Amino acid sequence: GQQLNQSPQSMFIQEGEDVSMNCTSSSIFNTWLWYKQDPGEGPVLLIALYKAGELTSNGRLTAQFGITRKDSFLNISASIPSDVGIYFCAGVGGSQGNLIFGKGTKLSVKP
Amino acid sequence: DAGITQSPRHKVTETGTPVTLRCHQTENHRYMYWYRQDPGHGLRLIHYSYGVKDTDKGEVSDGYSVSRSKTEDFLLTLESATSSQTSVYFCAIKGQTLYNEQFFGPGTRLTVL
Repeated sequence: GQQLNQSPQSMFIQEGEDVSMNCTSSSIFNTWLWYKQDPGEGPVLLIALYKAGELTSNGRLTAQFGITRKDSFLNISASIPSDVGIYFCAGVGGSQGNLIFGKGTKLSVKP
Repeated sequence: DAGITQSPRHKVTETGTPVTLRCHQTENHRYMYWYRQDPGHGLRLIHYSYGVKDTDKGEVSDGYSVSRSKTEDFLLTLESATSSQTSVYFCAIKGQTLYNEQFFGPGTRLTVL
């Protein structure tokens, strides 16, 4: 089946640093989604990307839909302690438009 | 807030007992999903529904059944719970746009002893 490779698995950074994470796949996706999950809660949608090559921002977050439609990255600028959590990428594919999730990037921010 | 609630939020049960988890939505979404989340595996689709009485299997459907008798409720049943079904279960709905975004409920933590 389709799989997403998300990296890195975890990051431990200093407050104020920029963060970059990415997802790659052997399959083409029509939409890429990025979610953040806080402990004990469900994932929350951060950014949605609908077109190859698209670059979208949401505050300090920037995400891009790769031109090949097989990858996407998420950048967080000037990290703050509340950025702590697990970030998931998801690709939308298949006839029913189901999501395929990466395994997540766990972000820790040191004040 | 996509108006999704899950019940119970926490449950401890014993191997071999039946368990039913409920997902309730208030915004008349057609598509609903059940996922499980385990360390090292991310989120994996168990079953989904594309309308009342219309359901289909996901990636990890063995040992689970679902029912959707009305639009607002999607039930996940473990007929005979096993320890391997200890997990956090999330319900999700598909948004109303053409782009297939999904929005998640708060989750149910299930422990099977």
